[in-house]
Amino acid sequence: QSVLTQSPSASGTPGQSVTISCSGGKSNIGRNIVTWYQQLPGTAPKLLIYNNNQRPSGVPDRFSGSKSGASASLAISGLQSEDEADYYCATWDDSLNVWVFGAGTKLTVL
Amino acid sequence: QVQLVQSGSELKKPGASVKISCKASGYTFTVYGLNWVRQAPGQGLEWMGWISTSTGIPTYAQGFTGRFVFSLDTSVSTAYLQISGLKPEDTAIYYCARDSPGVVVTGKTFYYMDVWGKGTTVTVSS
Repeated sequence: QSVLTQSPSASGTPGQSVTISCSGGKSNIGRNIVTWYQQLPGTAPKLLIYNNNQRPSGVPDRFSGSKSGASASLAISGLQSEDEADYYCATWDDSLNVWVFGAGTKLTVL
Repeated sequence: QVQLVQSGSELKKPGASVKISCKASGYTFTVYGLNWVRQAPGQGLEWMGWISTSTGIPTYAQGFTGRFVFSLDTSVSTAYLQISGLKPEDTAIYYCARDSPGVVVTGKTFYYMDVWGKGTTVTVSS
């Protein structure tokens, strides 16, 4: 059971927008920055969003992150077929002293 | 460019040991910590712990003590993960991931894992 809660799946059609949520607690999201990773099928996780809402160079501005209290969200606009992947939120947990990941959300582009 | 290159897939029998390597390039190895993350088949990501590349001191997450050892060879900018007494449930992809430069927010420094290796698949089967 993951400390961070994500919906197992999300879907949308090309061009639509979709939001993936990540719910945690005071000791993790509530106190630390949130990172989002994209894992395309058969590949390693790739940094998508860091410090709650910052995009590394090369990540399209269709991807945006936000955080409020003990929850975070990843929004993807203008969905494209290549966005079909697993998305993980992650942060440090001050009580457990470990990095914690959400269980992942599988995004399907219909 | 910054990259982490991991060693190739391993097929081992139960009870054997395996040593996975993670070679860094494109940056000063001893400046950024190195994390290890496990992904069991069809499952999510699980943080195993990290090693300080400046001191060589490892920190293990619960569940990864005893049979798991993190080590370094700074002369070749390489980190290692050794697993002994392999069990079928150790079958997984093992990733190394670099600690980012610190991000200072309201006076506190935060880190995240910014660069990942491509992963090493370890299969444990008789």
